[in-house]
Amino acid sequence: AQSVTQLDSHVSVSEGTPVLLRCNYSSSYSPSLFWYVQHPNKGLQLLLKYTSAATLVKGINGFEAEFKKSETSFHLTKPSAHMSDAAEYFCVVSAGGSYIPTFGRGTSLIVHP
Amino acid sequence: DADVTQTPRNRITKTGKRIMLECSQTKGHDRMYWYRQDPGLGLRLIYYSFDVKDINKGEISDGYSVSRQAQAKFSLSLESAIPNQTALYFCATSGVDYGYTFGSGTRLTVV
Repeated sequence: AQSVTQLDSHVSVSEGTPVLLRCNYSSSYSPSLFWYVQHPNKGLQLLLKYTSAATLVKGINGFEAEFKKSETSFHLTKPSAHMSDAAEYFCVVSAGGSYIPTFGRGTSLIVHP
Repeated sequence: DADVTQTPRNRITKTGKRIMLECSQTKGHDRMYWYRQDPGLGLRLIYYSFDVKDINKGEISDGYSVSRQAQAKFSLSLESAIPNQTALYFCATSGVDYGYTFGSGTRLTVV
């Protein structure tokens, strides 16, 4: 069984300040973890993925995430928010070679000028 | 051309009508998926297929059916549409490297 919990439904930051979007997962097997972004009225775009290589994963647009097995977490961070980062973000887990991704409920990132 | 193409992009249909959403991919992947997205609920899996002869129900398959016509084509049908099936529907495909690619979505409204 696998599940993912995004701890915040909304996160509000000012432009130029750091971003932290929190994700905890549960998995019976070694997980693969992903972050996707969805801009308004758009499809889903892969930001980054962890598949048992380096625990600190760098993605597109300055985002990165760290896999912490002891904490079962995969939080997404960015040092400095940009207005264009305003979007819905989804944490996704796929475990044990199942190739069946399970999505979190999403975190809406709001960026204020 | 997009790697995963969904048609139609938008559809309004009446309660009780049968409707088919189509998905085709050019990635050459065997695995294909159908999800629905509702505000605050994320994406929930409806059906998935790991090859042409393999069809599996997801967590919310009631009221839906699928057909895998070829490796590249995976269609979702609503046999008798109801208003609570109003949602944004996504098709996706994946390869052995866990690279999931999504289509642009079909916005379905059942009135």
